[in-house]
Amino acid sequence: EAGVAQSPRYKIIEKRQSVAFWCNPISGHATLYWYQQILGQGPKLLIQFQNNGVVDDSQLPKDRFSAERLKGVDSTLKIQPAKLEDSAVYLCASSLGVTLHFGNGTRLTVT
Amino acid sequence: DQQVKQNSPSLSVQEGRISILNCDYTNSMFDYFLWYKKYPAEGPTFLISISSIKDKNEDGRFTVFLNKSAKHLSLHIVPSQPGDSAVYFCAASLFITQGGSEKLVFGKGTKLTVNP
Repeated sequence: EAGVAQSPRYKIIEKRQSVAFWCNPISGHATLYWYQQILGQGPKLLIQFQNNGVVDDSQLPKDRFSAERLKGVDSTLKIQPAKLEDSAVYLCASSLGVTLHFGNGTRLTVT
Repeated sequence: DQQVKQNSPSLSVQEGRISILNCDYTNSMFDYFLWYKKYPAEGPTFLISISSIKDKNEDGRFTVFLNKSAKHLSLHIVPSQPGDSAVYFCAASLFITQGGSEKLVFGKGTKLTVNP
């Protein structure tokens, strides 16, 4: 089975610019997650989708972050405008049950 | 409010010996616990899990122990191998009624180094 696909792998932008990440989950997985992992910390949930509906976005900074999952499959996460503290690895994961399957992430550097 | 805590940022052991990684949690509503392993430049990969109704789960060299009264779990790796060197994340799962899905909360991770 193909894993969770994410692109791009790396992105460098200047503060105040915008950026978008893409995720294609494992086929058939209804639940999709976006996590932010800052260096030295564990992954922090930003948003969780069940099919194309949002289940939890309580930790998503909605003034600058947005995410969508059209048709309940692929998802995009956008940051606009970016801040220095957004530098992190953005991980996408999908699941059928409890076990999450992660992509390799996008490493974002904001300068 | 850190609900899942891994108090040891790093651990170093000799090849062939036992590695013990610890994790504490605060929310008694967690119903499932998982360990993930992460290599540099890769996403976390699932290693082993345990339901809150059990106190032990074993899979080859990996065993997870759960002490619900102490809100503590540990991962034992026996024998440790150099390829086990990675960051290990403890995660706890909470069932979300809305949407009927699980929410995972992660600890900060413990970097394990197994020396040949």
